[in-house]
Amino acid sequence: SQKIEQNSEALNIQEGKTATLTCNYTNYSPAYLQWYRQDPGRGPVFLLLIRENEKEKRKERLKVTFDTTLKQSLFHITASQPADSATYLCALDETGTASKLTFGTGTRLQVTL
Amino acid sequence: GAVVSQHPSRVICKSGTSVKIECRSLDFQATTMFWYRQFPKQSLMLMATSNEGSKATYEQGVEKDKFLINHASLTLSTLTVTSAHPEDSSFYICSAREPNEETQYFGPGTRLLVL
Repeated sequence: SQKIEQNSEALNIQEGKTATLTCNYTNYSPAYLQWYRQDPGRGPVFLLLIRENEKEKRKERLKVTFDTTLKQSLFHITASQPADSATYLCALDETGTASKLTFGTGTRLQVTL
Repeated sequence: GAVVSQHPSRVICKSGTSVKIECRSLDFQATTMFWYRQFPKQSLMLMATSNEGSKATYEQGVEKDKFLINHASLTLSTLTVTSAHPEDSSFYICSAREPNEETQYFGPGTRLLVL
C-alpha cells in the first residue's frame, strides 16, 4: 500500500541549532516533492519544491534533499528560531503539474530559547 | 506570492442544515481549485478537484451529492456541505493553482462545527 511517513512525535530544538525533518514514502514515484509549513488553525504555506532529478535545493535558511533510491526527503532549517515553530508537511506530486498533491501527516517543530 | 482567501473562517451550524464555503483567488486566475479536509492531528485529504466551467472530480469515498462544488469563474469556487451532520465537523481548506505553476496556493481554511 502507499504510505507517506513523517515523524509523528514533535521535534524539540534549541534556538540556533539545525532542525532536520524526515519524509519517507512507499509505493509512490513522485516527480516533485514539496514542503509546506502549517500553523495551528491555518492553511499550509508553500516553502520549497524539489524535482526527482535534483539532489538538493536551498532557500535562505532552508535546505531540502531528495533521494529517490532511499525514497526519502530531508528538510533542514539552519539557525532555527522560535518563529520557525510550526508543523511541516511534505507533499508528493506524481504528475509534476501540481494537479494532485498527497500529504504526509506532518511533523511539529518546537524551537525553544 | 499568490493569495487565496476563504469565507467564512468559522461556522457553527445545526445538524441537517447546509453550509456554503467560498474560495477566491485574489490576484490570479485559477483554472483549477482543490478542496481538502483535515481532521485533528491528521493529514490534509483531497476531497475534490474543480476546473472552471466543468464538473468537479471527486476522490474515492467522497459523496458528490453531499459535498457540492461549483467553480463558476476563474477566481471563485464554492463548497456546499448539504445536510451537515456532526461527523462533517472538520477543517476545510481550499487551494488554487495558476496555469503552468508547479505548486498550489492554499487558503486559510474554514473551521466547520456541526452541532
